[in-house]
Amino acid sequence: DGGITQSPKYLFRKEGQNVTLSCEQNLNHDAMYWYRQDPGQGLRLIYYSQIVNDFQKGDIAEGYSVSREKKESFPLTVTSAQKNPTAFYLCASMEMAGGPDTQYFGPGTRLTVL
Amino acid sequence: AQSVSQHNHHVILSEAASLELGCNYSYGGTVNLFWYVQYPGQHLQLLLKYFSGDPLVKGIKGFEAEFIKSKFSFNLRKPSVQWSDTAEYFCAVNAGYGNKLVFGAGTILRVKS
Repeated sequence: DGGITQSPKYLFRKEGQNVTLSCEQNLNHDAMYWYRQDPGQGLRLIYYSQIVNDFQKGDIAEGYSVSREKKESFPLTVTSAQKNPTAFYLCASMEMAGGPDTQYFGPGTRLTVL
Repeated sequence: AQSVSQHNHHVILSEAASLELGCNYSYGGTVNLFWYVQYPGQHLQLLLKYFSGDPLVKGIKGFEAEFIKSKFSFNLRKPSVQWSDTAEYFCAVNAGYGNKLVFGAGTILRVKS
């Protein structure tokens, strides 16, 4: 069954702790993206990667880090430097061959900082 | 910087009413346009998209959208909504390097049965 999986579904973190959100895709897509969703603000791009071992900052990268060691995996670390990390985090992937295409989204991880 | 504006944050309609959700974007070059929908408790999923060709595009569940280049608009329409259309709708634009999407703030649609 092809798709994008994100884990965990819910995550609670104490202030000052780093936490890593998992995103895996078995669609063989080249590009992967992390977005943050806040009520009334839509989705904002955190980081994206178009190829293994390469990634770029999005609009709100401060306080976050990523890695892309494998094509199918793009984990996001929310560091203690992120001032307001409580949000819904969405991972997406997209096929790059042949030009722009559609981004497909995972089910999301809801992070709450206690 | 590119931006996407959705005109209404909350819309409440009765079943069988017609729907039009506004979306305007700011980018002068070639754009790819999308409408995504997020039903309660479900994944964000694609409703329809425009890349080129006929500016009137049809999507799933009876939705359609019209790309009007001169107005920088991509409004979503449905002639008769159902209770099951209750969801949050996002307009998005893909323009420039990296195929990044810029999203609008979203419109929460509630359909009363």
